[in-house]
Amino acid sequence: ETGVTQTPRHLVMGMTNKKSLKCEQHLGHNAMYWYKQSAKKPLELMFVYNFKEQTENNSVPSRFSPECPNSSHLFLHLHTLQPEDSALYLCASSQGLFQEQYFGPGTRLTVT
Amino acid sequence: EDQVTQSPEALRLQEGESSSLNCSYTVSGLRGLFWYRQDPGKGPEFLFTLYSAGEEKEKERLKATLTKKESFLHITAPKPEDSATYLCAVQASSNTGKLIFGQGTTLQVKP
Repeated sequence: ETGVTQTPRHLVMGMTNKKSLKCEQHLGHNAMYWYKQSAKKPLELMFVYNFKEQTENNSVPSRFSPECPNSSHLFLHLHTLQPEDSALYLCASSQGLFQEQYFGPGTRLTVT
Repeated sequence: EDQVTQSPEALRLQEGESSSLNCSYTVSGLRGLFWYRQDPGKGPEFLFTLYSAGEEKEKERLKATLTKKESFLHITAPKPEDSATYLCAVQASSNTGKLIFGQGTTLQVKP
C-alpha cells in the first residue's frame, strides 16, 4: 500500500447505527486530518492530529468522535448521524502541520 | 475572517486554448497557498505550494503565481486529461495547520 488509504470506500448507515471510518498513511508523516466534502460546499476541516495529539476541533458535533492511536492511523467513529451528514469524508496527512497535505480517496457516506 | 473565493465556478475550453483560474483570499497572515486537483470520486491531489508574493511554480502545462491578494493557475495549451476540479486553499500563520479551501473551479477541456 502506498500514500493514504481509507476504508470503507462507501458506507450506508441508518441514523441509529454506529460505524467507524479508518484511515492509514504510509508516508511516514506526523500530522493527520479529517475533512468533510459536501456537494456545492468547500472542503471543511473537522479535526487535526499532530504526533497523535488533537490540535484542532473545528466545532464538530459530538456524534463524530475521532481517534488517533499512532501517527499512521486515524479513525472517525460515527453514531446517531443525521441525513445532512451524508458527504465524502476525506483523510489527509502531512509531514508537519505547515506542509502540504496528501489526501486519501475518501469514504462516501450516506445516512438514511 | 479567513476566506478563499475561486472564479470562475466552471470553465470550458477547447484543447489548446490557454486560460487562467483565479483564487482570491483574505487571511490574517499568509503562511502558504496550496493548489490541488480533484478528479470525480477521488481525493484532492497536491499540485503546488506558494509562500510569498511574486513566487511562481510550474508543472507541465500548469503555472501557479501569487500576489498579496490572489493566486492564478495558468493552464497553457490544455489537453482533455487536464479536465478536473482545481481547488485553492490557504493556511494562516496563526492557526494549527488548518487549510481553508475555496469552492473550486471545474475545468472541462474538449478535444
